[in-house]
Amino acid sequence: QITLKESGPTLVKPTQTLTLTCTFSGFSLDTGGVGVAWIRQPPGQALEWLALYRLTDDRRYNPSLSGRLSITKDTSKNQVVLTMTNMGPVDTATYYCTRWATNWNYADYFDCWGRGTLVTVSS
Amino acid sequence: EIVLTQAPGTLSLSPGERATLSCRASQSAKSTYLNWYQQKPGQAPRLLIYAASTRATGIPDRFSGSESGTDFTLTISRLEPEDFAVYYCQHYGGSPRGYTFGQGTKLEIK
Repeated sequence: QITLKESGPTLVKPTQTLTLTCTFSGFSLDTGGVGVAWIRQPPGQALEWLALYRLTDDRRYNPSLSGRLSITKDTSKNQVVLTMTNMGPVDTATYYCTRWATNWNYADYFDCWGRGTLVTVSS
Repeated sequence: EIVLTQAPGTLSLSPGERATLSCRASQSAKSTYLNWYQQKPGQAPRLLIYAASTRATGIPDRFSGSESGTDFTLTISRLEPEDFAVYYCQHYGGSPRGYTFGQGTKLEIK
């Protein structure tokens, strides 16, 4: 069974750095064809992809946010950490951790999701 | 950057009816990278369809996906009460563009 769970602060102040941890089970990032991504959703709005970590340290970022984002893997645990600097009120959103997967036909998709964690940016 | 435009914004139908949801890409979009998700209130999204037309594991066959050029369609053949939700299309535009989502279609009970 695949599970993912987000953890981190629920409230951050403007200009602070947000650090979120995704703890996952049921798959390994040492296996080709899988990865972990972060996707967020402001209240009442659409989804926005943030970052993706794949095999062998392959990291991808949303180009509109890349200067503020960092995604890393904790090699001793099944965890992927997202860091976002210079937080502002517009970054208030539910942040989801998801499993990314690809198949033999090069399709790729986000097939398993955590429940999400609401982060509010306010002074 | 490929922009995905979903229509309509809201679709009001009754259980048992057929639903047709549209996702139009602003430029040529590879169907291999076009996916659909369902999101119910207070829940995380769920993968429904990947590669434009392949149902994800456990998805009922009343859900189907198709494509015609830059237009992608999600069809629900006979609506069940649990199908009323928000639906998002999503596309991978390659590196460095990454992944984009449409703005969503809300399917509500008439």
